[in-house]
Parts: sequence; structure tokens; C-alpha cells
Amino acid sequence: DTAVSQTPKYLVTQMGNDKSIKCEQNLGHDTMYWYKQDSKKFLKIMFSYNNKELIINETVPNRFSPKSPDKAHLNLHINSLELGDSAVYFCASSQSGVGEQFFGPGTRLTVL
Amino acid sequence: AQRVTQPEKLLSVFKGAPVELKCNYSYSGSPELFWYVQYSRQRLQLLLRHISRESIKGFTADLNKGETSFHLKKPFAQEEDSAMYYCALGQKTSGSRLTFGEGTQLTVNP
Repeated sequence: DTAVSQTPKYLVTQMGNDKSIKCEQNLGHDTMYWYKQDSKKFLKIMFSYNNKELIINETVPNRFSPKSPDKAHLNLHINSLELGDSAVYFCASSQSGVGEQFFGPGTRLTVL
Repeated sequence: AQRVTQPEKLLSVFKGAPVELKCNYSYSGSPELFWYVQYSRQRLQLLLRHISRESIKGFTADLNKGETSFHLKKPFAQEEDSAMYYCALGQKTSGSRLTFGEGTQLTVNP
């Protein structure tokens, strides 16, 4: 009964490949997020969806494309992976109007 | 623009010593502040939020609007408190955005 889950947990791939990370939440929240945590542990928001609508889109290369098929799912597709994309990607969810966010376990992406 | 500053990237104390993790913010609206904790290789978890004013695992944090600070304190640190701590500023507009500080890695030595 995990609240926010992500798959895969680890992803190792070659430069230039395309990969996807999936996120699901069973909390009934209407807002979901993707964060990137770099090697210095700095946590930065990338995207946010509210009721399947994109509401936050930070300065992120357009190789990154989020997709929200429904309120409970937010996937992240990355094209043409680069070395600098290596990081831990966290999904989170919240109910709009309430600040607390619930985080997934993270996906550690390594680009070789 | 909103901003959160955690001036110490690393903080090391001995078990039983008091600990204070500093957090300052800048925000023109009414702030909603949080402390999140990330134990080694685990997900972020909410530790405290200022509006609840509760104490979790012995930690407390008081919002000081005059000094725009939300420092996290614990009178007697334990080894299991070793973790990464993030201060975060919430905005109810723009999809409940959270702006995180850069984090403070706390190490509690035996």
C-alpha cells in the first residue's frame, strides 16, 4: 500500500538512448511533480501537473517530456540521454492548496 | 521571487549535543514552511510544518517572520538523526509549489 511509487528504482543506460520513468500515487491527490536531485543533493522542481494539466514547467531541456494519463499517474520520458542527466529523479504528489508533498522512493538514473 | 537559504551544507555534532539547522527565506506573501528529512538513500519525508507547531522526533522549528527564519532545533542529538535536512517554502498558488533550500547534511557522531 505504498503511497507514491516509482519504477524503475535504478536505470543505467548509454548516452543517446531514450528512457521513461513511471510514477503512481494512491493518495487521491490531484497534483503531481517531478524533481531532479543532482550529485550535490540539490533538489529542483522540473514539472508539476494538476488534474492532468501541466502547471509548472521549469527551465528543463525539451528532451524531457512529462505525461499524465490520469490524476494518479505522471510519467517522465527522456530523449537522447546525456551524461548530465545522471541524477536521482523524485516523483511527488499533493492535494492542491495544501503544501505538504509526499515523495516517491526515487529513480537513480546513470548515463554512461 | 521566493528563495530558501540553508547556509550550512555540512553540520557535525556529537551525540547528546544540541543541534540547530539554519533556514532563511525570502517571500513576499504569507509563507508556509516545512522541514523535510532524507535518510541515506531513502525518500524525502516531512518532518515538520510550521502551521502544526508540533514536535517530531524531538525536533522543533519556530517561524520568525521578523528575521525571515525557520531554524530547526533539537536539544539532544541522536546518531539516528544523521540525515540530509531540507527546508522548503510552500506557495499555495502555482500548484502548491515547494521551493527547497540546498540542504544540510547532519552527522551525529558517537
